[in-house]
Amino acid sequence: KAGVTQTPRYLIKTRGQQVTLSCSPISGHRSVSWYQQTPGQGLQFLFEYFSETQRNKGNFPGRFSGRQFSNSRSEMNVSTLELGDSALYLCASSRYAGHEQFFGPGTRLTVL
Amino acid sequence: GNSVTQMEGPVTLSEEAFLTINCTYTATGYPSLFWYVQYPGEGLQLLLKATKADDKGSNKGFEATYRKETTSFHLEKGSVQVSDSAVYFCALGGTGGGSNYKLTFGKGTLLTVNP
Repeated sequence: KAGVTQTPRYLIKTRGQQVTLSCSPISGHRSVSWYQQTPGQGLQFLFEYFSETQRNKGNFPGRFSGRQFSNSRSEMNVSTLELGDSALYLCASSRYAGHEQFFGPGTRLTVL
Repeated sequence: GNSVTQMEGPVTLSEEAFLTINCTYTATGYPSLFWYVQYPGEGLQLLLKATKADDKGSNKGFEATYRKETTSFHLEKGSVQVSDSAVYFCALGGTGGGSNYKLTFGKGTLLTVNP
């Protein structure tokens, strides 16, 4: 069974630009969660989607948004990038919310 | 809100040494508890989990026991190997289930095992 895949793996952007990251969950998994990992703040929850609906959101500004498609694939978007948005963005999928989460390899975003 | 306090690193051990990484939590209700491991350049892998008090999670020689009375979930391994070198994260699964579910992580502990 294929694991969680994230594309792209690496991304370099400049301040003010926007970026879209993609996550394909494990087949049959309907819940997708996103986390931001930075050296200073550690791992922080961004949001969770289930059946195309955002059901839970972390404490991030509105520049961070996401969506989920009918095939459970998810995208997250960050607009007006800031230097502090440089991070590893991790996607995790689970069959249902509250079930064991499986993580992808992450997308490393660097904002210059 | 929920929080996880994890032993600060880095931790450096010799091969075959005993490992303990302390983890305590604050939560309402009865959360699930997890240890994840992150190898360089990779995402998180679930190492072990426990879903209720007194449960012991175990995998690859690692163990952790869910202690509700001390709100702890310490990770232990009797004999570490060089290949265990990684960052270890203690995590708490939300007690609400359903729409309020999310993982809350500790800061992570970098373990280096020398031959």
